[in-house]
Amino acid sequence: DTGVSQNPRHKITKRGQNVTFRCDPISEHNRLYWYRQTLGQGPEFLTYFQNEAQLEKSRLLSDRFSAERPKGSFSTLEIQRTEQGDSAMYLCASRWGFGELFFGEGSRLTVL
Amino acid sequence: AQKVTQAQTEISVVEKEDVTLDCVYETRDTTYYLFWYKQPPSGELVFLIRRNSFDEQNEISGRYSWNFQKSTSSFNFTITASQVVDSAVYFCALSPTNFGNEKLTFGTGTRLTIIP
Repeated sequence: DTGVSQNPRHKITKRGQNVTFRCDPISEHNRLYWYRQTLGQGPEFLTYFQNEAQLEKSRLLSDRFSAERPKGSFSTLEIQRTEQGDSAMYLCASRWGFGELFFGEGSRLTVL
Repeated sequence: AQKVTQAQTEISVVEKEDVTLDCVYETRDTTYYLFWYKQPPSGELVFLIRRNSFDEQNEISGRYSWNFQKSTSSFNFTITASQVVDSAVYFCALSPTNFGNEKLTFGTGTRLTIIP
């Protein structure tokens, strides 16, 4: 499968714990994006990378959130000290330049 | 600020009927992109179309067609002869065209159910 891959697909955690999600984009894609989707809503932009550089961050990305793309390939999104309001689907997407944006199937986070 | 409104929360139609999904947007940008995505139960967003704001020609792709009207800030999506496989949540989205401003703004989606 050469699509965008996200792991884990589902994570259940207790409030206050840290979680990390991984995204493997399509191999030749230089741009990588993270979005968050809550129930009944459309995806909301969190951040994006061009190669390894993080070029834009949303105000939604509080200090507890950090994203990296160390070698310009895969990316991780870490949430520290999770809160119940962090429960959502975290979507990763990638593209080459300004081409079509391909989304992964998402990582669903449930904070108890 | 950019905003996308999809007023239809849920639509149900009987198979083979035509259905139109509405999308109204707001932006101060003079050029922008408009998109439609399909989200089946698996959760993955599937790209359907991207239109640049300076291209107001309507587009048809098989059973899908899109009507872009800049005068009313609308970008509506019609499925002709609907099929059960069309059941999904459909999102309309908007983005600037300038480099460095990459954010897509999505609407809240329309859940389409095709009844066999």
